[in-house]
Amino acid sequence: DSGVTQTPKHLITATGQRVTLRCSPRSGDLSVYWYQQSLDQGLQFLIQYYNGEERAKGNILERFSAQQFPDLHSELNLSSLELGDSALYFCASSVGGPGKEGYTFGSGTRLTVV
Amino acid sequence: GIQVEQSPPDLILQEGANSTLRCNFSDSVNNLQWFHQNPWGQLINLFYIPSGTKQNGRLSATTVATERYSLLYISSSQTTDSGVYFCAVVPGNKLTFGGGTRVLVKP
Repeated sequence: DSGVTQTPKHLITATGQRVTLRCSPRSGDLSVYWYQQSLDQGLQFLIQYYNGEERAKGNILERFSAQQFPDLHSELNLSSLELGDSALYFCASSVGGPGKEGYTFGSGTRLTVV
Repeated sequence: GIQVEQSPPDLILQEGANSTLRCNFSDSVNNLQWFHQNPWGQLINLFYIPSGTKQNGRLSATTVATERYSLLYISSSQTTDSGVYFCAVVPGNKLTFGGGTRVLVKP
């Protein structure tokens, strides 16, 4: 167990729908990062939050949004889903920046859009 | 942005063999990590190694930051070592991943 908890583990939904992925970081970690892993794009950085505030944005679509709550858990919202959004979505956490241990990843949420 | 290249892209090993995976990066980095993605999709943190050498059981890693490369050594490979090995670097504040090395260890 890495200490980073992601739910749900699997999600199957239809095109056009909206889903929410949840991530609880390791105890003491203030930063949360979201990554998308699809077959043709590899692991792509989506967005980072630090202590409730957005810190960095990567290749995140406008249909996607995220937030980090006061208890430091984070949610990634995906709307108007398309077949191409099917992917493994990872959350990672760190103390702030790289820290002494780097980044720790959760086990991911596998999203299938049908 | 920074480029991270891993080689070889694919590796087939007989159980018990040794191997070396390479990661080259195009700019200075603050952090470098090696991950193993198992067949179930889990990303396991192997090493946090911005410089120097570390060992953990049959795995070891060396990063030469001044020459912008890192090596991951797998000794006495086992079937459970199969999966994809990723190198990831932090030039600023977020991890940028290489394309990975897919390893298959045959019994």
